[in-house]
Amino acid sequence: AQSVTQLDSQVPVFEEAPVELRCNYSSSVSVYLFWYVQYPNQGLQLLLKYLSGSTLVKGINGFEAEFNKSQTSFHLRKPSVHISDTAEYFCAVSGGSNYKLTFGKGTLLTVNP
Amino acid sequence: DVKVTQSSRYLVKRTGEKVFLECVQDMDHENMFWYRQDPGLGLRLIYFSYDVKMKEKGDIPEGYSVSREKKERFSLILESASTNQTSMYLCASSFSSSVVSGYTFGSGTRLTVV
Repeated sequence: AQSVTQLDSQVPVFEEAPVELRCNYSSSVSVYLFWYVQYPNQGLQLLLKYLSGSTLVKGINGFEAEFNKSQTSFHLRKPSVHISDTAEYFCAVSGGSNYKLTFGKGTLLTVNP
Repeated sequence: DVKVTQSSRYLVKRTGEKVFLECVQDMDHENMFWYRQDPGLGLRLIYFSYDVKMKEKGDIPEGYSVSREKKERFSLILESASTNQTSMYLCASSFSSSVVSGYTFGSGTRLTVV
């Protein structure tokens, strides 16, 4: 079985500051890793994913994430955030089962002017 | 544009009512999922289906049932709604062979049981 821990439930930052949202996972098998974003009153949409290959993955809206196998982490980063990045972010892992995702509890990113 | 469509954005139902939440996808996905989302608890899987008429329990199936009579449609049923089922419900779909393409989510149904 796999699990996901998002280390921060809320992250407040100022506009144009860098941000890192942390995600750790556990799995006994090779994993696929995902970050999803949920804007207010909407469903989740895929931000980026790691399947294999390069450990640095680039996604939409200037976000990127780095897969670190030794630390079992998949942290999400953006060098300069905008007000419009205010949303909840979910880390998810698939391992073992080839079609089920396990989600973390989410991190609420609030970007202040 | 591919879509997962949930029939209602907001629903208000009374305790004890039978409630149907509908989800339709147009991507020919084999897998469909129902989650509920609550503050501080993230997404919790209620049920999923990997084929027509096939279903499996997720992590919190109590008080819920599902129906999948056609590939594109997956219904969540609250047999007798209770106030602790007040929540945001999210439907998702994916291909069966692999999760590499991720899930596609609907916009959610916010259900209030009074």
